[in-house]
Amino acid sequence: DIQMTQSPSALSASLGDRVTISCRASQSISTWLAWYQQKPGKAPKLLIYKASSLESGVPSRFSGSGSDTEFTLTISSLQPDDFATYYCQQYSSHSTFGQGTKVEIK
Amino acid sequence: QVQLVESGGGLVKPGGSLRLSCAASGFTFSDYYMSWIRQAPGKGLEWVAYSSSTGTTIDYADSVKGRFTISRDNTKSSLYLHMTSLRAEDTGVYYCATEQQLTAGFFQHWGQGTLVTVSS
Repeated sequence: DIQMTQSPSALSASLGDRVTISCRASQSISTWLAWYQQKPGKAPKLLIYKASSLESGVPSRFSGSGSDTEFTLTISSLQPDDFATYYCQQYSSHSTFGQGTKVEIK
Repeated sequence: QVQLVESGGGLVKPGGSLRLSCAASGFTFSDYYMSWIRQAPGKGLEWVAYSSSTGTTIDYADSVKGRFTISRDNTKSSLYLHMTSLRAEDTGVYYCATEQQLTAGFFQHWGQGTLVTVSS
């Protein structure tokens, strides 16, 4: 099975900060990667698919990049609504998620 | 708009069984692959099972293989998960989610989830 490792597990940031979350796959997954945002008590929400394609309705401050085994989710200017937990997911072979990155207020 | 509504969760004893349902609306259900994903309390997301649009291709996570069965009724726009031999580690919120039309992949729409608690 393909393992997904996110870093960091948690981070503290201020409004307006640029935030970067990394996701590493245990083997090449091309660009078969998605990113999700989850708030407490709510279902996850799709942000990015195919590594860099922005889901309809998602603010343009979110962007994704990477290929092969290294991927990044970037929030260009952190907004109050962005404090949440973020997960990456590979869908190259079955489906596995990273362990999550919690973005907290500094 | 796409709506997915899960039901059937509850408290069950170890070794027991439960059947979850997911009622879909707002899209052509029979065109889409569908999955179940779960989340243990305070933990991350774990894909559980998927079904192709016709139900002829299905797959399971190793952790549930042989115990869980995914099925669908396209005439009722519904997805099901029959869970048997339940264990404490199966406790969590179970979500149904849409995938893509021709293949399994990322999860575009999610239900609100239904809580399954396995405890004596």
